[in-house]
This record gives sequence, structure tokens and C-alpha cells, in this order.
Amino acid sequence: DQQVKQNSPSLSVQEGRISILNCDYTNSMFDYFLWYKKYPAEGPTFLISISSIKDKNEDGRFTVFLNKSAKHLSLHIVPSQPGDSAVYFCAATTPAASKLTFGTGTRLQVTL
Amino acid sequence: GAGVSQTPSNKVTEKGKYVELRCDPISGHTALYWYRQSLGQGPEFLIYFQGTGAADDSGLPNDRFFAVRPEGSVSTLKIQRTERGDSAVYLCASSPTGSNYGYTFGSGTRLTVV
Repeated sequence: DQQVKQNSPSLSVQEGRISILNCDYTNSMFDYFLWYKKYPAEGPTFLISISSIKDKNEDGRFTVFLNKSAKHLSLHIVPSQPGDSAVYFCAATTPAASKLTFGTGTRLQVTL
Repeated sequence: GAGVSQTPSNKVTEKGKYVELRCDPISGHTALYWYRQSLGQGPEFLIYFQGTGAADDSGLPNDRFFAVRPEGSVSTLKIQRTERGDSAVYLCASSPTGSNYGYTFGSGTRLTVV
């Protein structure tokens, strides 16, 4: 059972435009959400996170939005740059958990 | 070291053989995690160490998998009687405390069982 879902396996966006990556979850106990970025042959690197007590968190070009009632979060990248081309993973955790539950990832390609 | 180091970066083994995968966490990080990423999937939790002890091993798929961290630093993931389905990238991560927030991952070991 996939508790964290990223239904778009891939996304292509033109440089300078907005990239929107989506993530849905089913476990209502999740209270903290993270986005990781992964380049080929490298480990995932932490990008941005959000606690369930907030609905938005912003860090430079990256903003994460959380809609708890819909169990949905999204990552916005504005403006998108070619170096943003990577696989993006959404992850979630609960207060008592010692692990992250990851989605299957979305491959973002930013074209010139 | 500056980051989490995993060796080897690639390992090809025959079905039925034993393999060991090594992880050197960031110095001073007490928490260490192993994840497995199969093709087309996200990382899946295997085991979490706090210091020398395995605080949560609920993700280990079966008793062919075992991990140790005898001195609270380097960890070794051991897989006995490897099967083709064990082929995946094995990722190690560490963090300063037991918090799930802001892990640092290594580059992984790509294991191929032929």
C-alpha cells in the first residue's frame, strides 16, 4: 500500500516558467513532509520541508504548499532553471516514526 | 568526513552469494539509516540505528538481511543468499540526532544480483 503517491512520473517545463510537482498521502498521522531532489548516481538531497501546523513554507525559488484536508502537498519552483532537472521525491513522517515514507518520484526536465 | 560515504559504489554478485555493504556516516552523527531504492520506486526504509543499537529494524524484508554498527560509527549491511530481487540501490543516511528531519544521504551502493 503506497501511503505517499506522486502520480506524475515526469514533467517537462520551459526555463523561466513555474514547475509544480504534486504529492498525495493517505496516512492522516503524517505530520511532517519533506521534498528531496536526486541527481543520477547521487543520493537524495534535502530541499525543503513543512510541518502540518503550516500551510506554506518558502525558501528562495522553492515553495511547498500543504492542504491537510485534501491530504495533498505541492512543490513550486519559480523560476525553473536547467539545473533543477532531477528526480524529486516527496516524503512524510509521523511523530513517533523513525523513518521517512517516500513517494515514487517525479522526474523534472527543465528545457531551454 | 565531509559527507556520508558508501562502499563499494557498485557490486555485482551471483545469486546465492553473501555481500556486505559499508556506510561511513558523517562524524559525530549518532543516527544512521539504511534505505533501499528499487528501479522506479522511492527509497524504502530498512533499518535505523541510534548509536550502536538498532532502534527500528522493521523494514528489513526477511532474515537474510542483517545490519550492524558495533562502535556507533561505521555500519555494515549484510545480505545472505542473495536473490535477483535484492538488486537495488542501497542508500545510507545519517543525522546528528534521531530526528527524521534533514538526513544526509550517501550516493548509494548499486547491487546487481545475476
